[in-house]
Amino acid sequence: SSELTQDPAVSVALGQTVRMTCQGDSLRNYYANWFQQKAGQAPVVVIYAKTNRPSGIPDRFSGSGSGNTASLTITGAQAEDEADYYCNSRDSSGYQVFGGGTKLTVL
Amino acid sequence: QLQLQESGPGLVKPSETLSLTCSVSGGSITSRSCYWVWIRQPPGKGLEWIGSIFYNGDTYYKPSLKSRITMSVDTSKSQFSLRLTSVTAADTAVYFCARLGFNYPFDPWGQGTLVTVSS
Repeated sequence: SSELTQDPAVSVALGQTVRMTCQGDSLRNYYANWFQQKAGQAPVVVIYAKTNRPSGIPDRFSGSGSGNTASLTITGAQAEDEADYYCNSRDSSGYQVFGGGTKLTVL
Repeated sequence: QLQLQESGPGLVKPSETLSLTCSVSGGSITSRSCYWVWIRQPPGKGLEWIGSIFYNGDTYYKPSLKSRITMSVDTSKSQFSLRLTSVTAADTAVYFCARLGFNYPFDPWGQGTLVTVSS
């Protein structure tokens, strides 16, 4: 099955913009989804099908991508955005795959 | 709204079988527009998709776990289940159940249940 690669950790100053990336061959053919997971909680989808934001998710979250790379951008990061972020996609066999996750620290 | 709840033993001995059940409420487990999935997360580590099951019993299993996994669905009880045989300490994790829509990712999730493999 294919793999998705994420940077282990990123940091951002309060109110600034941060972009997290996810790389993998499957992203050339299938959309990425992004999940936010806070400590002790189940993940929550923040972006699906590369660019779509579920209702209730602040519009500071946005998704993009090209080729084998998907990106999650937080514009004007808030303290409550500090969490682990996981990308997810599927491969040609229908198997689901997650990236290793990025730990976001808001300074 | 749709809710999922995992249940099962929190402690399993090495070499034995882990069995978990996910109860679905507030929606139909016989939906033809979604799969029901198991995902796990070892302590301090990332998420790992284990497998997916359709209401009619069709399954997709993670290839590296396929020889040890069985998933089933009981529509009369609105539940689906996971069996993982020959467990080792590496199977210690929080196990989540979730819905996977055809056009929407994993949502909602259960709260997760910690299963520890230890003698």
